[in-house]
Amino acid sequence: DAGITQSPRHKVTETGTPVTLRCHQTENHRYMYWYRQDPGHGLRLIHYSYGVKDTDKGEVSDGYSVSRSKTEDFLLTLESATSSQTSVYFCAISVTAYEQYFGPGTRLTVT
Amino acid sequence: KNEVEQSPQNLTAQEGEFITINCSYSVGISALHWLQQHPGGGIVSLFMLSSGKKKHGRLIATINIQEKHSSLHITASHPRDSAVYICAVSPGGTSYGKLTFGQGTILTVHP
Repeated sequence: DAGITQSPRHKVTETGTPVTLRCHQTENHRYMYWYRQDPGHGLRLIHYSYGVKDTDKGEVSDGYSVSRSKTEDFLLTLESATSSQTSVYFCAISVTAYEQYFGPGTRLTVT
Repeated sequence: KNEVEQSPQNLTAQEGEFITINCSYSVGISALHWLQQHPGGGIVSLFMLSSGKKKHGRLIATINIQEKHSSLHITASHPRDSAVYICAVSPGGTSYGKLTFGQGTILTVHP
């Protein structure tokens, strides 16, 4: 599992509330990614990071922000959760130029 | 049209059958990945390849760069192979590790 953990693993929240998901790695890899997985859409990139304080947008970044204040942690924040953000969220790291390892996922339900 | 297309979307087999899952892509790539996801589970990388063929146990992955096509074969299928198989590509010229995913193939192997 390349030392990747995600927290929480499950969360139910109400529309309009802020939510922060955490991805933690133990091996100091530089590149980290947040994806969401939805039926009919597969996995889609939300944001990624190529170093501390260096982040960029992915395909579906609207409504999400990220922060990376230290190498091991990559945080994904939903400032005001909406029902369309109900999804399974996966964090990943790049171990080599193209090889990625995925975290266990966080199932988020917005009611 | 998606940049990465998989077929079939659903596949049912009897234990012992030879299984093929196909992936076609429309962009230049640096690498192609095959991933496996068990129900409710995390995502595991099976293969990463940029040419030719790779084999791991009963799994074989091939790629034809000229035709922009890859196949994942499972020999002597077993119920524990039941999972979603996802094809993903690292588009050529993109930054480190950004992946574009197919929608996945749901494989069910009956005993």
